[in-house]
Amino acid sequence: DGGITQSPKYLFRKEGQNVTLSCEQNLNHDAMYWYRQDPGQGLRLIYYSQIVNDFQKGDIAEGYSVSREKKESFPLTVTSAQKNPTAFYLCASSIGGLAGDAYEQYFGPGTRLTVT
Amino acid sequence: KQEVTQIPAALSVPEGENLVLNCSFTDSAIYNLQWFRQDPGKGLTSLLLIQSSQREQTSGRLNASLDKSSGRSTLYIAASQPGDSATYLCAQGGGGADGLTFGKGTHLIIQP
Repeated sequence: DGGITQSPKYLFRKEGQNVTLSCEQNLNHDAMYWYRQDPGQGLRLIYYSQIVNDFQKGDIAEGYSVSREKKESFPLTVTSAQKNPTAFYLCASSIGGLAGDAYEQYFGPGTRLTVT
Repeated sequence: KQEVTQIPAALSVPEGENLVLNCSFTDSAIYNLQWFRQDPGKGLTSLLLIQSSQREQTSGRLNASLDKSSGRSTLYIAASQPGDSATYLCAQGGGGADGLTFGKGTHLIIQP
């Protein structure tokens, strides 16, 4: 079955530690995204990647880092510089493209990160 | 900056009713409008995608419309069922592989 997997489902860390969230897709999509969701707020874009070895900052990139070494994978690192890291993190992908068309985004099941 | 607003924030209706969820956006340079469903603690499920050149899309009991001139989209749910209870999110696409701008959602409860 094609889809997006995120692991783990729940993640607990101590303050001051970096943590990496996994996102893998087997949809052969070029574009991948990371969003953050907080209670009572809409999803906010952290980083996105239109193609392998390229990525751009979203609206709230501070305290986060990403890499895109393979088409299928787009891991997100939450660094100790992120002031409020506790949130629900969602990964998404789309066919992508740089021609100006916009494509449907598909989402993974999410990772709930708790930092204490 | 793009902004997306959803009204109402919460809605509770008896089973069987037809209902409308509203979404408004500020950026007229919209490429598409996507509606999602989110169950508690879960990821998002895509319901409908309307490209900027389209006026509406239908899937089963769901119909979504897009009016770029007024900056509005509506999601119509016919003959609501308890299984429709969830949070419904709309999101505006800005083009290319850019990310989506989301509203805060409408929390829908269908009473049996």
